[in-house]
Amino acid sequence: AQKITQTQPGMFVQEKEAVTLDCTYDTSDPSYGLFWYKQPSSGEMIFLIYQGSYDQQNATEGRYSLNFQKARKSANLVISASQLGDSAMYFCAMREGRGGAAGNKLTFGGGTRVLVKP
Amino acid sequence: DSGVTQTPKHLITATGQRVTLRCSPRSGDLSVYWYQQSLDQGLQFLIQYYNGEERAKGNILERFSAQQFPDLHSELNLSSLELGDSALYFCASSAGGGETQYFGPGTRLLVL
Repeated sequence: AQKITQTQPGMFVQEKEAVTLDCTYDTSDPSYGLFWYKQPSSGEMIFLIYQGSYDQQNATEGRYSLNFQKARKSANLVISASQLGDSAMYFCAMREGRGGAAGNKLTFGGGTRVLVKP
Repeated sequence: DSGVTQTPKHLITATGQRVTLRCSPRSGDLSVYWYQQSLDQGLQFLIQYYNGEERAKGNILERFSAQQFPDLHSELNLSSLELGDSALYFCASSAGGGETQYFGPGTRLLVL
């Protein structure tokens, strides 16, 4: 089974509007972390936001917020007030376990391409 | 700029050859990770080093090897290259285990 599923291969959003990118995950480990990364056309991977499995509140970082629904195993990224520079691929990723001695690998979803229209 | 550097940015080589990709982590980070991004496989974890020791291994081929040196920089060696090894190879670093990984700009490898 896929550990990280991003069901939206691509989407358009109007500038200044909000957009929600879906991410569902599958793990039996009670301790895990969820990450979102942005990959512009230039290719680099830019860290956006992190949510730990034990965090009580949804993570927020500027215009980015994570809608964490633990029972549904979903971690959707919300981008508010979209800008032209938000056009990119967005990847959801998961780290299972606490890391440390057990390692810290990330498992990535297939990504969602977002195009912001002026 | 994440603070992680990778060289070279682009690499074009022929099948059967061997190449070395280099990564310098962010200042103070002890963990280095290598990932491969290809069109058919997506983003895949290859290997992690922590302070010079291998910590976790993913779907890394036997033709590939890596190491982390005392100054914490890391090298990924790819040998007997095949067309299917063409990909974007990322290095990432974090302070230790469990923290956010910050990615370098990647090395784009093309095997002809």
